Amino acid sequence: ETGVTQSPTHLIKTRGQQVTLRCSSQSGHNTVSWYQQALGQGPQFIFQYYREEENGRGNFPPRFSGLQFPNYSSELNVNALELDDSALYLCASSLNPTDTQYFGPGTRLTVL
Amino acid sequence: AQSVTQPDIHITVSEGASLELRCNYSYGATPYLFWYVQSPGQGLQLLLKYFSGDTLVQGIKGFEAEFKRSQSSFNLRKPSVHWSDAAEYFCAVGEASGTYKYIFGTGTRLKVLA
Repeated sequence: ETGVTQSPTHLIKTRGQQVTLRCSSQSGHNTVSWYQQALGQGPQFIFQYYREEENGRGNFPPRFSGLQFPNYSSELNVNALELDDSALYLCASSLNPTDTQYFGPGTRLTVL
Repeated sequence: AQSVTQPDIHITVSEGASLELRCNYSYGATPYLFWYVQSPGQGLQLLLKYFSGDTLVQGIKGFEAEFKRSQSSFNLRKPSVHWSDAAEYFCAVGEASGTYKYIFGTGTRLKVLA
């Protein structure tokens, strides 16, 4: 059974640019949640996708957007990057929206 | 608002010693509680979870946690720490208001002395 995978592992962007991060969910899981983990902090919830629809959102601005595809993989897009967007971005998949979340290894984004 | 507090930012123990990591939560209903471990440069690995029933929960790698409703706590324990346990540990509560999401504490970094 394949676990949650994320790509790329690391990414360096400059302020104002746009970035797309990718996540493949665990086999059989139809829900993907995205979290931002700033240095020295716990992860903070960005949003969740369930069966290709956004299923809830945390306190993040609209320049953070996402997609979920028919195979339940997902993308996180961030527009107009700011220095404070530098963080580890974690994707988690679950069997359904209220089931246990299993996390991927994360994508480390650095904004210069 | 729901919250999770991990009072200890850093903990250092000797290999073979016992370990207890503290977690306090604020949540109106019966909480879903989790402990995750994060090694440097890695994602989060689930150690154990509590949904209901027996308040003493066994997890992987020899860890256990006890849910105490009266103290709003869910402390993680291990009787004998191994050098490979050095990592950051996160406690989380599952919040079901609207979207089901996890609220994480700020983590406890564990250092193990040989």
